[in-house]
Amino acid sequence: DQQVKQNSPSLSVQEGRISILNCDYTNSMFDYFLWYKKYPAEGPTFLISISSIKDKNEDGRFTVFLNKSAKHLSLHIVPSQPGDSAVYFCAASGTGSARQLTFGSGTQLTVLP
Amino acid sequence: NAGVTQTPKFQVLKTGQSMTLQCAQDMNHNSMYWYRQDPGMGLRLIYYSASEGTTDKGEVPNGYNVSRLNKREFSLRLESAAPSQTSVYFCASSEAVSYQPNTEAFFGQGTRLTVV
Repeated sequence: DQQVKQNSPSLSVQEGRISILNCDYTNSMFDYFLWYKKYPAEGPTFLISISSIKDKNEDGRFTVFLNKSAKHLSLHIVPSQPGDSAVYFCAASGTGSARQLTFGSGTQLTVLP
Repeated sequence: NAGVTQTPKFQVLKTGQSMTLQCAQDMNHNSMYWYRQDPGMGLRLIYYSASEGTTDKGEVPNGYNVSRLNKREFSLRLESAAPSQTSVYFCASSEAVSYQPNTEAFFGQGTRLTVV
């Protein structure tokens, strides 16, 4: 049973508009969340993270929102650029049995020029 | 600065063959990791090493062995390859001095392994 779910395998957005990538988790022991970005034929690269003591973290065009009660987080990219086209992985870790980093299956974002 | 380098990039094995995936990092990181990525799934941790001479099992260690040869190098060995081990393998490293998954990890380009 996947503990971190990215239910949208793909998303297309027009250049300049907002991209919203969603991630849901089931394990209430998760307390830290990360987003990684992956281009074809490359390894993932770290993008942004958020601790469960916060509900928002911003870094330039990228903002991650965390809704603990809904066990949901989202990554907003504003404005979207063609270079943002990549696969985005959500990952979560916590304490005890949830200590190991658990990745979602990824969302392919395509930003159309 | 090469970062994390994996070799080979592609490999085809026959069932039962053995091979070693090599990984080296030049960032003086303490921790190194091996992940596999299968279609429709996220990355899953196979083994990790928090320091030279230490290794620990991750989520999916069966069928694999690892060696932390020195601080730079962390190899993954398949002793008797099986079709279920067809996957893309990623090596990663981080500054963490123990298993700290919240610490940013730097990944290699991956090795695409097919077992027939």
